[in-house]
Amino acid sequence: SQKIEQNSEALNIQEGKTATLTCNYTNYSPAYLQWYRQDPGRGPVFLLLIRENEKEKRKERLKVTFDTTLKQSLFHITASQPADSATYLCALLHSGGGADGLTFGKGTHLIIQP
Amino acid sequence: KAGVTQTPRYLIKTRGQQVTLSCSPISGHRSVSWYQQTPGQGLQFLFEYFSETQRNKGNFPGRFSGRQFSNSRSEMNVSTLELGDSALYLCASSLVGSLRSPFYEQYFGPGTRLTVT
Repeated sequence: SQKIEQNSEALNIQEGKTATLTCNYTNYSPAYLQWYRQDPGRGPVFLLLIRENEKEKRKERLKVTFDTTLKQSLFHITASQPADSATYLCALLHSGGGADGLTFGKGTHLIIQP
Repeated sequence: KAGVTQTPRYLIKTRGQQVTLSCSPISGHRSVSWYQQTPGQGLQFLFEYFSETQRNKGNFPGRFSGRQFSNSRSEMNVSTLELGDSALYLCASSLVGSLRSPFYEQYFGPGTRLTVT
């Protein structure tokens, strides 16, 4: 069956360190993968999109890698700050055609400790 | 520019009733998608509209329906509510018309919290 998995346990990181979040998928052939940030009581906020033929993408302190062989994307926040604390969601679009939309992982709760 | 707005923000309904939720996309955005978010299932895609046409549909029963108006505003309707329909319903709009575009970015609204008793 098709699955997108993110670490369900909260990730605690010391301020200033690099936080790395993982998104693994099975039985998908992604056209692209996206990362979102969601704060409590709010809708998700789009952060980055990486296409299946791209290995890495950066935006300010954010970096996303995409390994279609490992079926995995890593999301890095460098020089982390307490304000980066939130739930981070990955989502992918299957390239297999059909009329489905984006499929989301359940998210990883990131806590940056001062 | 104003963001995506959703009304109402909170709603309590009784099992068996029906409900209509409204979404106003960012000005100029013609693609509107709807999602259901629950603690157990996470964020799940319901459907996507573009120029008043439903282009994509998730795996939800026919009790869930939607429509889009000529001004891009969208509504979703849930009939014969069940307890399991209690969730945060999120609407998202996109300037890029095609979900398959590598430049596809969604902007989410704050959601409507629906509680079915």
